[in-house]
Amino acid sequence: GAGVSQTPSNKVTEKGKYVELRCDPISGHTALYWYRQSLGQGPEFLIYFQGTGAADDSGLPNDRFFAVRPEGSVSTLKIQRTERGDSAVYLCASSLMASGGLDTQYFGPGTRLTVL
Amino acid sequence: AQTVTQSQPEMSVQEAETVTLSCTYDTSENNYYLFWYKQPPSRQMILVIRQEAYKQQNATENRFSVNFQKAAKSFSLKISDSQLGDTAMYFCAFMKPYLIQGAQKLVFGQGTRLTINP
Repeated sequence: GAGVSQTPSNKVTEKGKYVELRCDPISGHTALYWYRQSLGQGPEFLIYFQGTGAADDSGLPNDRFFAVRPEGSVSTLKIQRTERGDSAVYLCASSLMASGGLDTQYFGPGTRLTVL
Repeated sequence: AQTVTQSQPEMSVQEAETVTLSCTYDTSENNYYLFWYKQPPSRQMILVIRQEAYKQQNATENRFSVNFQKAAKSFSLKISDSQLGDTAMYFCAFMKPYLIQGAQKLVFGQGTRLTINP
């Protein structure tokens, strides 16, 4: 079946601009996650949705970052007033969220954001 | 807070050799989950193997196996009969169990770049 997809694959923008990054999770997966991966580093957690609501947004670095998932499927990560330090690969993952037990996250290919 | 440490930034072996990647972690939880993910140049993180801390038996997936030492908080990955397609970044990751505060988010190490040479 189809995996997690992310668009665009690459995004180049200028400092101060607004960007939106989209994630389409695996069909039927109720949990969705956003991570940020800076060059040469492991991914860092940003936010996690259970259904339509953000269950944990403790990883969002500041109020310029915001994410939504209005219908419990597709999610959009929004970054306002972009800064050069926002340049990174933004990874999305989804999981089935079976009650209790091990829940494996499946990742998309990421969006490489470059802020000039 | 949980931390995951991978002390080998890069490793290189010949095809068909066995290689072991190291990972240590720090947590006060008694139950948790550990993962190894592979990230090829395509950027997509691919699950290699996973381990539940309450299970004493080490997980195995074909050529991939782990050595899970709970007391030492160590979780190494062994790749047997390495293949050219194993060339990638490998990340160790930790996750708290379901319903625990802060659960569901993966905490990753810094990664190990593995190169398999022909």
